[in-house]
Amino acid sequence: ETGVTQTPRHLVMGMTNKKSLKCEQHLGHNAMYWYKQSAKKPLELMFVYNFKEQTENNSVPSRFSPECPNSSHLFLHLHTLQPEDSALYLCASSQGLGNRNQPQHFGDGTRLSIL
Amino acid sequence: GQNIDQPTEMTATEGAIVQINCTYQTSGFNGLFWYQQHAGEAPTFLSYNVLDGLEEKGRFSSFLSRSKGYSYLLLKELQMKDSASYLCAVLDSNYQLIWGAGTKLIIKP
Repeated sequence: ETGVTQTPRHLVMGMTNKKSLKCEQHLGHNAMYWYKQSAKKPLELMFVYNFKEQTENNSVPSRFSPECPNSSHLFLHLHTLQPEDSALYLCASSQGLGNRNQPQHFGDGTRLSIL
Repeated sequence: GQNIDQPTEMTATEGAIVQINCTYQTSGFNGLFWYQQHAGEAPTFLSYNVLDGLEEKGRFSSFLSRSKGYSYLLLKELQMKDSASYLCAVLDSNYQLIWGAGTKLIIKP
């Protein structure tokens, strides 16, 4: 139990579907992150939120749309995805961006498969 | 560009010692992290080094040489449960985390 919960754990969707990934952290952290993890590749940072405000968007296609209603919850809305978007999507949280040497705590991820 | 290099895969024997290396070229340095990730699970924090030298935590130790752009993770008395991927990540001058692709460690009986 890492204190960061992601749902669903697995998701299969067609390219025309709309779905959302959910992340919740119970650690009292202020910063939350979305990462994409593909086999044998480094983690790719997608979005960063600090105190509910988006601070980074690493050139992510608009078919991925994040939402952070409060410091404990983070969503990733998916629409019209491509087969190359199939990957493990990881959510993480940390104590704050000001103390970047604080470790990030990760959820178990959502394994996304695009048909 | 920024780059983190670590071996793709390593194999070791139960009870033995293994050293996983990580070399980096980044714009600035504010520390280096090691994470462990079991298949299908979350990466979990192992260590953070910002000063040169060796930090020991039980069976795991992490070493850093900033002048060489080099770190290693040392695992002693290997157990089957240590089979996992080990991720190296560096905080650059902008406090961005630069990740390596991970080293898959296979432990054999």
